Amino acid sequence: GIQVEQSPPDLILQEGANSTLRCNFSDSVNNLQWFHQNPWGQLINLFYIPSGTKQNGRLSATTVATERYSLLYISSSQTTDSGVYFCAGMSGGYQKVTFGIGTKLQVIP
Amino acid sequence: DAGITQSPRHKVTETGTPVTLRCHQTENHRYMYWYRQDPGHGLRLIHYSYGVKDTDKGEVSDGYSVSRSKTEDFLLTLESATSSQTSVYFCAIRGQGGETQYFGPGTRLLVL
Repeated sequence: GIQVEQSPPDLILQEGANSTLRCNFSDSVNNLQWFHQNPWGQLINLFYIPSGTKQNGRLSATTVATERYSLLYISSSQTTDSGVYFCAGMSGGYQKVTFGIGTKLQVIP
Repeated sequence: DAGITQSPRHKVTETGTPVTLRCHQTENHRYMYWYRQDPGHGLRLIHYSYGVKDTDKGEVSDGYSVSRSKTEDFLLTLESATSSQTSVYFCAIRGQGGETQYFGPGTRLLVL
């Protein structure tokens, strides 16, 4: 199966700061998603982005499929952005989804 | 909310006992998944289903079995629970032709 590497593993931001999270894949993926797990454990889908760029409010994501990486941008961070951010992907024709181990983000007031 | 529920939400059991976790969905999604989440490992796929009675193994399937006799229910069974199976278990769904996974609220399992 594919390997998924996320960086940085941990990040502390002052409220209002911007950040970039990165996800690298060992092989091409055909279903790339970003998730946020809030401090209560709930997993929320942020983006489905196999290629290109998408934006949703203060969050945006870019995937460069040919170079096997994806970036998640958080602008003007808020304390509610705290939690763990995961990327995940499927490879080939398989339905198995592989997750990275996540980036733990803490936004302090 | 994609109509996914998990039961029980919390469970404490003893080593060697069988345990069954249930995932229920209300929207007829084709694909259903069971993951476990442990510190330092992210989410790891245990088993998944691509239809009624159609299942396949994930990367950490040893010690687990699954069944899907109806579209809406996907059961995960630990035949004889071990302490290494203490974890948070998440169910997820994905629709036919759908790209996005949606997750249930999770089940916290403690095996003593």
